[in-house]
Amino acid sequence: DAGITQSPRYKITETGRQVTLMCHQTWSHSYMFWYRQDLGHGLRLIYYSAAADITDKGEVPDGYVVSRSKTENFPLTLESATRSQTSVYFCASKARDGSIYEQYFGPGTRLTVT
Amino acid sequence: AQSVSQHNHHVILSEAASLELGCNYSYGGTVNLFWYVQYPGQHLQLLLKYFSGDPLVKGIKGFEAEFIKSKFSFNLRKPSVQWSDTAEYFCAVNERSGGGADGLTFGKGTHLIIQP
Repeated sequence: DAGITQSPRYKITETGRQVTLMCHQTWSHSYMFWYRQDLGHGLRLIYYSAAADITDKGEVPDGYVVSRSKTENFPLTLESATRSQTSVYFCASKARDGSIYEQYFGPGTRLTVT
Repeated sequence: AQSVSQHNHHVILSEAASLELGCNYSYGGTVNLFWYVQYPGQHLQLLLKYFSGDPLVKGIKGFEAEFIKSKFSFNLRKPSVQWSDTAEYFCAVNERSGGGADGLTFGKGTHLIIQP
């Protein structure tokens, strides 16, 4: 009964390195989202996915890549990390039916780019 | 594009005081409205939501919010706060017509500190 999990929970990386943040949900929700949380900005949408193999850009997609080959996984990759990508990253999911407009959030990944 | 404005970035109250956090959104269409809470070191949790119907919505932990369509507002209230309410509070909105795929647009958050 894990719900939605993220790994790693904490990550320190160097500028220019590639890093992948993982998100896994056990509910078979159709929709998944990636947000970043920065002081003074609240949460901003990076990418979202309506189903496996369907992804789309959010408000701040530059520098990020996503994929969704399986419904339960939605990894976020920083192809060449920059200091401005230091942030807390939250993954979220929501079902297609029923509570279709409620998103459930994971515990977050705190990423530091040095 | 939608935007959400939370008027108070930092609020400090004493226990048992009444709370009202302001939230206004800009979007001309039909929206769904949410309040999320983030306790220190934890992930976001849904406090309450408004989709349609009664504009006064009751959530968990004694919180409520009122949707006033004419004012584009969705203010959060609690009659008597507790020390455990210390947290970051986020107002969020998405378009009803978005079909479920669109993400939420969040306000910048209000940091609430309750003093014993």
